[in-house]
Amino acid sequence: GENVEQHPSTLSVQEGDSAVIKCTYSDSASNYFPWYKQELGKRPQLIIDIRSNVGEKKDQRIAVTLNKTAKHFSLHITETQPEDSAVYFCAATLANDYKLSFGAGTTVTVRA
Amino acid sequence: DSGVTQTPKHLITATGQRVTLRCSPRSGDLSVYWYQQSLDQGLQFLIQYYNGEERAKGNILERFSAQQFPDLHSELNLSSLELGDSALYFCASSVTGNPQETQYFGPGTRLLVL
Repeated sequence: GENVEQHPSTLSVQEGDSAVIKCTYSDSASNYFPWYKQELGKRPQLIIDIRSNVGEKKDQRIAVTLNKTAKHFSLHITETQPEDSAVYFCAATLANDYKLSFGAGTTVTVRA
Repeated sequence: DSGVTQTPKHLITATGQRVTLRCSPRSGDLSVYWYQQSLDQGLQFLIQYYNGEERAKGNILERFSAQQFPDLHSELNLSSLELGDSALYFCASSVTGNPQETQYFGPGTRLLVL
């Protein structure tokens, strides 16, 4: 199966600054990369995803970039707000696989 | 609210016991996934069902089993419980079970084994 590594494990940013989380994957055949956000005590929710035929995708203050050559993808949050404080999980899946492999998560804290 | 329901919300039991966790997927979703979330392990995929059939298996222990019923709800059975089984167990559902479609997570069942 796929192996996904996520860094950093914790990230503290000043409100208004940007946050970047990076994930690397092991199998070059992986072709789908979602990001989930989990607020404290709540369920994970999909916030953005990207497929291997696209290099970048944006949704308001959130963007994801994919570098297939280096086998890594990153989540970028701009103009961070207190409500962005949460645990963020990256994941990856192979085209012929039925399961998502998740990273270990990044705890993001936005300081007011 | 994702539309996925899980019961019970909390469960406290003793080592060696057996428990059953229940999940009802969103209306129209045919596939159910089970995940275990421990403090130091992140989200670990356990097993996936699609329309009553097992489709994929992850790091699920032999002491654990699951099934999906004709009405599409699913149950995760955990037996001979150990302290290390204490975790948050999430169920997620999707329409076709293709991992490239959004999975909608339930609120989770928090299991504490004493």
